Amino acid sequence: QLVLTQSPSASASLGASVKLTCTLSSGHSSYAIAWHQQQPEKGPRYLMKLNSDGSHSKGDGIPDRFSGSSSGAERYLTISSLQSEDEADYYCQTWGPGVFGGGTKLTVL
Amino acid sequence: QVQLVESGGGLVKPGGSLRLSCAASGFTFSDYYMSWIRQAPGKGLEWVSYISSSGSTIYYADSVKGRFTISRDNAKNSLYLQMNSLRAEDTAVYYCARGKIDYWGQGTLVTVSS
Repeated sequence: QLVLTQSPSASASLGASVKLTCTLSSGHSSYAIAWHQQQPEKGPRYLMKLNSDGSHSKGDGIPDRFSGSSSGAERYLTISSLQSEDEADYYCQTWGPGVFGGGTKLTVL
Repeated sequence: QVQLVESGGGLVKPGGSLRLSCAASGFTFSDYYMSWIRQAPGKGLEWVSYISSSGSTIYYADSVKGRFTISRDNAKNSLYLQMNSLRAEDTAVYYCARGKIDYWGQGTLVTVSS
């Protein structure tokens, strides 16, 4: 069964970097995923599609501070130069059919 | 620019029905899969249903199978979700989304309560 696993929470300081992880279940390590951001009281926003080789394509207007990488069954979202508006829930998602991770709540200290 | 605008949400009693609509613009609607995703209060995202560009392939989450029906009208650039036999646990913000999700609508709230 295709499952995406995310840590429930993460925190990092203003101006620092943070790396969020999404893990694909066994047998699905070749799957591409997408990352989405949901700021408080807002709808989700597409950040990027991330392939198993680490190549990624970002959505419209997504800053260069957001990048993706991959290693085996792990998919990463790295946010550098953290800003207060980056405090949000981050969801990974794949297609097989539609599956979402449980989300990571990022706190910017 | 791509726009997805949901409508049709509201308050409905358990066992009732509601039809959601999503009006699409800014892209060739008939080229894309479309999806409905929901988010219960304080919870994460749940994929509800998707439909292929022609309507020939449809998926439903087990939680809504047999109660919800997804459809589309490519001539009207519109996506629909017919929701029957609604339960309290269907209370959520419902979002429509394009493709394997690269654009989201703003959402419409469905509240199922007596």
